[in-house]
Amino acid sequence: AQTVTQSQPEMSVQEAETVTLSCTYDTSENNYYLFWYKQPPSRQMILVIRQEAYKQQNATENRFSVNFQKAAKSFSLKISDSQLGDTAMYFCAFMNLNPGNQFYFGTGTSLTVIP
Amino acid sequence: GAVVSQHPSWVICKSGTSVKIECRSLDFQATTMFWYRQFPKQSLMLMATSNEGSKATYEQGVEKDKFLINHASLTLSTLTVTSAHPEDSSFYICSARPDNNEKLFFGSGTQLSVL
Repeated sequence: AQTVTQSQPEMSVQEAETVTLSCTYDTSENNYYLFWYKQPPSRQMILVIRQEAYKQQNATENRFSVNFQKAAKSFSLKISDSQLGDTAMYFCAFMNLNPGNQFYFGTGTSLTVIP
Repeated sequence: GAVVSQHPSWVICKSGTSVKIECRSLDFQATTMFWYRQFPKQSLMLMATSNEGSKATYEQGVEKDKFLINHASLTLSTLTVTSAHPEDSSFYICSARPDNNEKLFFGSGTQLSVL
């Protein structure tokens, strides 16, 4: 199985500020996808952003962007202009393309946005 | 976006009884669905991969006779917790990936409490 590591169990950020969540992974695959999912108190898992490993350009979705370093196997998430609604657990996830297309999740980072 | 419906949202049962959880993809077909278990403030642990028309693939340490998975159609997978015991109490989440799409969509989860 692949391993996904999130070294920051808890983080906090002031509203409107920027925060970066770290994620590293271990794989011998060359083609795969990486994701960040958000789990608010409702516990519904919400896709935040995704990155294809074969693309060098970092993915961006509005206030969310990633810093994908393939050689270092690093995939950090940057949240700009943090909002109170960003308070949630954030999970980094890895999906291999073959076989089975299984998802593997990191241990999660609990982010609190402080008003 | 794609919608995954999971039912029931919560269930309380007596020890020794069986509980069935349904996971439906409402607007797409999913050859593969996944079942996860999540303990409080922890990550999602992959239990099994449900394959339409064939046997599920269980992760190491997950008892297949305890957690029965049936994927009878391209839009429905069920997880049956047989002879439930208090240690089976947990939050169970299903997910589905549309065919030819790398994104994973999640149900809203089922909180199981075994008395």
